[in-house]
Amino acid sequence: DTGVSQDPRHKITKRGQNVTFRCDPISEHNRLYWYRQTLGQGPEFLTYFQNEAQLEKSRLLSDRFSAERPKGSFSTLEIQRTEQGDSAMYLCASSFYGGGIVSGANVLTFGAGSRLTVL
Amino acid sequence: GESVGLHLPTLSVQEGDNSIINCAYSNSASDYFIWYKQESGKGPQFIIDIRSNMDKRQGQRVTVLLNKTVKHLSLQIAATQPGDSAVYFCAENMGNNNDMRFGAGTRLTVKP
Repeated sequence: DTGVSQDPRHKITKRGQNVTFRCDPISEHNRLYWYRQTLGQGPEFLTYFQNEAQLEKSRLLSDRFSAERPKGSFSTLEIQRTEQGDSAMYLCASSFYGGGIVSGANVLTFGAGSRLTVL
Repeated sequence: GESVGLHLPTLSVQEGDNSIINCAYSNSASDYFIWYKQESGKGPQFIIDIRSNMDKRQGQRVTVLLNKTVKHLSLQIAATQPGDSAVYFCAENMGNNNDMRFGAGTRLTVKP
């Protein structure tokens, strides 16, 4: 297992187009997270899945954003009708959650991110 | 060298010196904290974590201190090396769902 993989690494699109990002988590991990990061800021939580269930969505996740994890393995994040304000790095992370907090066991492992530029 | 406050985004230190990066967190109910390091073009990478029932935890060259009274977290890096140059984020666990929220980060630059 080579860690969390994200594809594509870079995407340039025109305003109004749809884009989709894919994340392949670490295979043993049951949780998968999406974050958005803009320049000079920390990652902002968007949503997360436990197995195939989407358990929480941030208010940042407008109705133009949709995330899926159909088989509890890889996930996709789609942005419809992109706007210039969507330009950011989209980070995926995974973790194993076994209930409660065990030091080190709930740590998020991040992918390298997918950078979106909307022209 | 030491960073203070939430709004000082950069810290510059001399190679070999100790670094202290500070973070003020928002939720008094947060019970778990992690420091992450992010190098250019990469995702954040785990450095060290601490639970709220502890006030200090040590790793290899790094120490995290937690002061729950003032909701303050710090990361101390001993004998800072050029490879430590990166942006450092603190993250707090916001609840039982293990939803981690990140601060704005501090950019550490190590001068040779």
